[in-house]
Amino acid sequence: AQTVTQSQPEMSVQEAETVTLSCTYDTSESNYYLFWYKQPPSRQMILVIRQEAYKQQNATENRFSVNFQKAAKSFSLKISDSQLGDTAMYFCAFSVSGTYKYIFGTGTRLKVLA
Amino acid sequence: NAGVMQNPRHLVRRRGQEARLRCSPMKGHSHVYWYRQLPEEGLKFMVYLQKENIIDESGMPKERFSAEFPKEGPSILRIQQVVRGDSAAYFCASSPRAPGQGAGNEQFFGPGTRLTVL
Repeated sequence: AQTVTQSQPEMSVQEAETVTLSCTYDTSESNYYLFWYKQPPSRQMILVIRQEAYKQQNATENRFSVNFQKAAKSFSLKISDSQLGDTAMYFCAFSVSGTYKYIFGTGTRLKVLA
Repeated sequence: NAGVMQNPRHLVRRRGQEARLRCSPMKGHSHVYWYRQLPEEGLKFMVYLQKENIIDESGMPKERFSAEFPKEGPSILRIQQVVRGDSAAYFCASSPRAPGQGAGNEQFFGPGTRLTVL
């Protein structure tokens, strides 16, 4: 069975600084997708970034980038130039290619301080 | 193109009542997935439906919970005789194609319905 672990329940960062959120996963599959979702107080699930496991290049979306280490089964999210609007819960998720179940971690609550 | 719509956003029920949660997928999407988020936890898969068919309900409790996605209209998640433990946020997601048919496994999530059982 696949599992996703987020070992940091809460983190804080000063505005304009950089923060890294950790995520590890366990699977015996070789083709899969990894996602980071942001859940602000509105509870809307917003896709931040997505990584295909077969791609070695780390995905990047503006201030958000990932460090994907397939051998270590690690998928961390780096937020650069943190903004107050980045304050939210962040969930790491996993999905085997060709399947429909998303496996979510328990989340990291990030607070950006002014 | 409007996103996934869910209503109501907030629903309060007393123990023993029925809760009906609605989900309208994105236009052109015929695959719907329901997830439940208990307090302080991540989302957990409940059920996968295509139009008029339940594909996988392995994550849904066998009693009191049911789901449908009729030919016309939204998908409905129905919880009968609610109990306090049903209090959670229920999310619906949709996709344009079946898994394995492209689209990179991507599911588009709605804003969720927060159910509170008194």
